[in-house]
Amino acid sequence: DVKVTQSSRYLVKRTGEKVFLECVQDMDHENMFWYRQDPGLGLRLIYFSYDVKMKEKGDIPEGYSVSREKKERFSLILESASTNQTSMYLCAAEERGANYGYTFGSGTRLTVV
Amino acid sequence: QQQVKQSPQSLIVQKGGISIINCAYENTAFDYFPWYQQFPGKGPALLIAIRPDVSEKKEGRFTISFNKSAKQFSLHIMDSQPGDSATYFCAARVGNTDKLIFGTGTRLQVFP
Repeated sequence: DVKVTQSSRYLVKRTGEKVFLECVQDMDHENMFWYRQDPGLGLRLIYFSYDVKMKEKGDIPEGYSVSREKKERFSLILESASTNQTSMYLCAAEERGANYGYTFGSGTRLTVV
Repeated sequence: QQQVKQSPQSLIVQKGGISIINCAYENTAFDYFPWYQQFPGKGPALLIAIRPDVSEKKEGRFTISFNKSAKQFSLHIMDSQPGDSATYFCAARVGNTDKLIFGTGTRLQVFP
């Protein structure tokens, strides 16, 4: 099974700070995703990546960027954190083939004060 | 329209009862419909999934019913247990892509 690790469970940052959320998968999967989860809104796709140095905007990319320099690592960057980016952030890697599906990390709960 | 509408938002069921969560969609290009289960403090985990050429799929106490003409699918949890208490998300994959569109989630509470 794929394992997806998010480096921080909880983060508290100040408004205007640059924030890095890290995600690492332990398999050689091309596709990785960043979602944010908010009550009543479900999971909304921020960015995804099909391979190293490749990225695509999701449904809510404003205020975010991503970096994928190595296949196993996909980073979400908040260029200038704002209070409306307080949320749970979930990273996922996609497994293809017979066991198709997403494997999610445990999430990072970010609070911007 | 790349939306998946999920209901109800919350559900309370007695132990041994049947839990039913419904989802509806508009985009006929969706080609795969998974359900995810999320416990507090954890990321969502794949529970069961169905493709649109099948009307029903059962795995243990969990069943997906799929109605292609109505563009609706639902999750049935038979003999619901307190350990099933979690948030459930339906999702749909956009065909020819790897993007999943998620519903808004249903918080299920099963009381003894």
